[in-house]
Amino acid sequence: RKEVEQDPGPFNVPEGATVAFNCTYSNSASQSFFWYRQDCRKEPKLLMSVYSSGNEDGRFTAQLNRASQYISLLIRDSKLSDSATYLCVVNDWYSSASKIIFGSGTRLSIRP
Amino acid sequence: DAGVIQSPRHEVTEMGQEVTLRCKLISGHNSLFWYRQTMMRGLELLIYFNNNVPIDDSGMPEDRFSAKMPNASFSTLKIQPSEPRDSAVYFCASRNEDTQYFGPGTRLTVL
Repeated sequence: RKEVEQDPGPFNVPEGATVAFNCTYSNSASQSFFWYRQDCRKEPKLLMSVYSSGNEDGRFTAQLNRASQYISLLIRDSKLSDSATYLCVVNDWYSSASKIIFGSGTRLSIRP
Repeated sequence: DAGVIQSPRHEVTEMGQEVTLRCKLISGHNSLFWYRQTMMRGLELLIYFNNNVPIDDSGMPEDRFSAKMPNASFSTLKIQPSEPRDSAVYFCASRNEDTQYFGPGTRLTVL
């Protein structure tokens, strides 16, 4: 089993739709979680951190379910500019080091 | 703040040649990561430094790859000799607390 697994996608949804992605992780001791966004031929950029209580940033909502070991990203009222690949990231801290694992990404395409 | 700086942005070379990729961290960050990204394998962590010390190099493919961090703000990733299967985008990232900031990447093509 992969350490971090994401919905394979691609997701192709109309503008204005709501879309959700999930990401599961295998290490129950994982400590911090993030969603990154990567546009075509660009570098990944932090979209938002994921907090235990869930958090919202405008149209984006991230949630963490430790019991089931998954995180989710919800995008409401999707825009054409939301088209990108969304990467789930899990960070495990041990001793003074950390292990950062990226999921393989979920491609999202918003159509007019 | 200029962000993470990588050079060159594009490199085309022939099989067997040495390739050196360079990265300058964001000032004040103390962790540096080298990643490789391909369509087939996604984003792979190659090596990571903390305070100039290599912490985890388990992702380095083989002896042809080496990475150094001679000072707190600069790192190199060297491939010698290069092979066509090394063709990929190589990203460098620096970290502040839990957040990673990626450079624009070097697109390497080995013919």
